[in-house]
Amino acid sequence: EADIYQTPRYLVIGTGKKITLECSQTMGHDKMYWYQQDPGMELHLIHYSYGVNSTEKGDLSSESTVSRIRTEHFPLTLESARPSHTSQYLCASSVQEFTEAFFGQGTRLTVV
Amino acid sequence: QQQVKQSPQSLIVQKGGIPIINCAYENTAFDYFPWYQQFPGKGPALLIAIRPDVSEKKEGRFTISFNKSAKQFSLHIMDSQPGDSATYFCAAPSNTGKLIFGQGTTLQVKP
Repeated sequence: EADIYQTPRYLVIGTGKKITLECSQTMGHDKMYWYQQDPGMELHLIHYSYGVNSTEKGDLSSESTVSRIRTEHFPLTLESARPSHTSQYLCASSVQEFTEAFFGQGTRLTVV
Repeated sequence: QQQVKQSPQSLIVQKGGIPIINCAYENTAFDYFPWYQQFPGKGPALLIAIRPDVSEKKEGRFTISFNKSAKQFSLHIMDSQPGDSATYFCAAPSNTGKLIFGQGTTLQVKP
């Protein structure tokens, strides 16, 4: 079944640790996205990829980085986690920019 | 920075009622306006979307009404059910083509 997967679902980590949030999709979509969502708030685009080896930053400044070495995989990395990074991170993909975007279930990150 | 203004922030209706959620956007060169539905602990899922060559689009109990001159669009849920209780987000394309989401509306449908 075509889907988009995020791991882990929940992560509690100490300040200063390096973390990677995983995102994989089986739909063969070229476009992939990372959004940050605080509880009860809107989604903010933090990273975007047109395809393999193509990434750009979104509208919300983020200290995280991303890579797109394979079409299906779009991991997000924080080199040194801080409490201000506590949030929910949502990964999504779509065929084109203005078609349905499919979202993963999200990773809820807590930095203590 | 471009914004999408969504209202109300929260909404409570009785089963069978017709909740209406409104969104206003700024100038955009792109034509794609979706609504997403999000249940607690889940990612958002596309509910319905409109391209403004039409002023209204209906899918089942969900209807989008679009007013291009006013730069506004709204979601209507006919015969609302308790299972419709969720957070609803509208979105509109920015001038660079990226989707900007509204602040969300938390809907509660009472049995």
